[in-house]
Amino acid sequence: GAVVSQHPSRVICKSGTSVKIECRSLDFQATTMFWYRQFPKQSLMLMATSNEGSKATYEQGVEKDKFLINHASLTLSTLTVTSAHPEDSSFYICSAIFDTSGNTIYFGEGSWLTVV
Amino acid sequence: SQQGEEDPQALSIQEGENATMNCSYKTSINNLQWYRQNSGRGLVHLILIRSNEREKHSGRLRVTLDTSKKSSSLLITASRAADTASYFCATDTGANSKLTFGKGITLSVRP
Repeated sequence: GAVVSQHPSRVICKSGTSVKIECRSLDFQATTMFWYRQFPKQSLMLMATSNEGSKATYEQGVEKDKFLINHASLTLSTLTVTSAHPEDSSFYICSAIFDTSGNTIYFGEGSWLTVV
Repeated sequence: SQQGEEDPQALSIQEGENATMNCSYKTSINNLQWYRQNSGRGLVHLILIRSNEREKHSGRLRVTLDTSKKSSSLLITASRAADTASYFCATDTGANSKLTFGKGITLSVRP
């Protein structure tokens, strides 16, 4: 079945550095992917919509210069957290639209980011 | 702001019992979906119900949708310890549109 893969699943980085998280659709093409952020015991908050070949659409309050999103191919979107700070520590999840109706969405397993 | 609001926030039941979780939303929707999330993991899609549907079944799951009340319920029958997880409702307003998630319900099924 369709699978969305995220890498890395866990990453620890030093404050001030940048870290990249990849989201891949393994056996289907995804023109649209979404990036979410989730704090412990809270819900998912949409950060941005990633569109293949064009700029991402960011939600209000999300800093586009801090959370860089690149959707260079139909199977890969990347989220780069630049100049990370401890408050950026969170669980980041991506999802990808599977079919043309847009109703089937698959989620990745998520990436835990810890900034120390 | 959160579109979906689930209640209860936490539910603890005995294995074999039924679990009912509710979700309310504020704006018109195209679809409503329920997802499950095990601790620290990604989301697993459970069931989708369209705005013109009132009830849907999938295995031990039963979902209802009342668009007049802007609410949905998820019933898990004959619960199992393995059903222990967080459950989220999510709504969208059209094809390819973003999902807006509720706060989630933590279900604990005691063996």
